[in-house]
Amino acid sequence: AQTVTQSQPEMSVQEAETVTLSCTYDTSESDYYLFWYKQPPSRQMILVIRQEAYKQQNATENRFSVNFQKAAKSFSLKISDSQLGDAAMYFCAHYHATGTASKLTFGTGTRLQVTL
Amino acid sequence: NAGVMQNPRHLVRRRGQEARLRCSPMKGHSHVYWYRQLPEEGLKFMVYLQKENIIDESGMPKERFSAEFPKEGPSILRIQQVVRGDSAAYFCASSPGGGAFSGAFFGQGTRLTVV
Repeated sequence: AQTVTQSQPEMSVQEAETVTLSCTYDTSESDYYLFWYKQPPSRQMILVIRQEAYKQQNATENRFSVNFQKAAKSFSLKISDSQLGDAAMYFCAHYHATGTASKLTFGTGTRLQVTL
Repeated sequence: NAGVMQNPRHLVRRRGQEARLRCSPMKGHSHVYWYRQLPEEGLKFMVYLQKENIIDESGMPKERFSAEFPKEGPSILRIQQVVRGDSAAYFCASSPGGGAFSGAFFGQGTRLTVV
C-alpha cells in the first residue's frame, strides 16, 4: 500500500520569501505520479503541480517548483515570492494505477501561514 | 466548461436518517473518486468508480455506505442511518481515465452535519 507522509503540520513564511514544504512517500511501484494540492479556507482542492515519476526533470509552475528525489522517495514543494493568497493547507498526493484500478493517496497536510 | 459539481454544499441530517451526496464529474471524465475529510485532517480515500462499475471500494466502511455511478446521471454516495461520526466534508474528484494521469479535479465538497 502507498503511504504519503508530511512531517510539517504547520509552516510560516514572510511575504515575498521562499518556503519549502516536505513530503515523503512509500511505494513499491516504479511508475506513478505525484501531486501537490492546495486547500484554501474555501475548502476547494486546487491542483498546484504534477510530477511524473519517470521524468527526472523537476516540474515547475510559475512560483511553484518541486524537488523530486526518486531514490529517496522525496517530493518537496518550493514556493517562491510567497503571497498572502498562498496561505492554505497543502497536501502531497501519490497516484498509481494497476490495470483498471487506481488510487490517489494523500498526506495529512501542511498548513502554510503567510505573514506580512 | 463546468468543473466537478457536488450538491448539496451543506447537508444536515438527524441521526438515523439517510444522506445522499451527488457528484457530476467534469465533462468527458469517466472516473470518479470519493474522499472524506474530517476536521483538521487529510483526505481519506473511500471509493473509486467508473461508469456502472465500482473499481476499488477499499476505503468504504463495510456497513451503511454505498456508492454508484450509473450510465446516466451523477455519482451518488449514500449513507444510511447516519451517526454523529459521519459528520465530515465529502469530496468528489474526477479524471478522464486512460493514458497519462493529468490529475484528479475536485468538487467543492459536501459538508455533512449529523445532529
